[in-house]
Amino acid sequence: DTEVTQTPKHLVMGMTNKKSLKCEQHMGHRAMYWYKQKAKKPPELMFVYSYEKLSINESVPSRFSPECPNSSLLNLHLHALQPEDSALYLCASSQGQGAETQYFGPGTRLLVL
Amino acid sequence: GNSVTQMEGPVTLSEEAFLTINCTYTATGYPSLFWYVQYPGEGLQLLLKATKADDKGSNKGFEATYRKETTSFHLEKGSVQVSDSAVYFCALDLYSSASKIIFGSGTRLSIRP
Repeated sequence: DTEVTQTPKHLVMGMTNKKSLKCEQHMGHRAMYWYKQKAKKPPELMFVYSYEKLSINESVPSRFSPECPNSSLLNLHLHALQPEDSALYLCASSQGQGAETQYFGPGTRLLVL
Repeated sequence: GNSVTQMEGPVTLSEEAFLTINCTYTATGYPSLFWYVQYPGEGLQLLLKATKADDKGSNKGFEATYRKETTSFHLEKGSVQVSDSAVYFCALDLYSSASKIIFGSGTRLSIRP
């Protein structure tokens, strides 16, 4: 099973709302990732967790707050977002870090009004 | 620095035509190479990969060969179907890069019935 699941599929939020995106994998992978993808562009890396510890933060604004409660779950907490944060947010996982195949979830399509 | 260059799209072909999508890379070291596919409204799916020179990745009729001498990883399929319409991303990952996949800009493929 190479499935990464993400909820919700779609999310509409106002600039004052607080919401969370969830990602789950049961492949025993120890690295998990958040990407942001704008229309007609490749995904951009936001965060990497390795063994439940944050190992890479690509200078993401603090209104995005990742959390890895256990090795199967990854959350992205959203607060005070801007309309330009509207995008597809993709979660991925891999066995470990470093040239390992990353498996992507279907994404959460976020619209900030 | 490390980078991936893909042919510009969109590419439009008739059903059963031969497909080539060019991909070249620049890397300091020995990357693993990937093709990901993104169908409309969905996340990324791993299509195929190759981890060392002269390896051939293949899946669903698609093939790509890791050519170190030309630093290329071109995607080919002998007979495309309407269902192959999607965006294709070439990507590399270096063991030393702490799992920062470097994506090409993506090539949109449309297949006419």
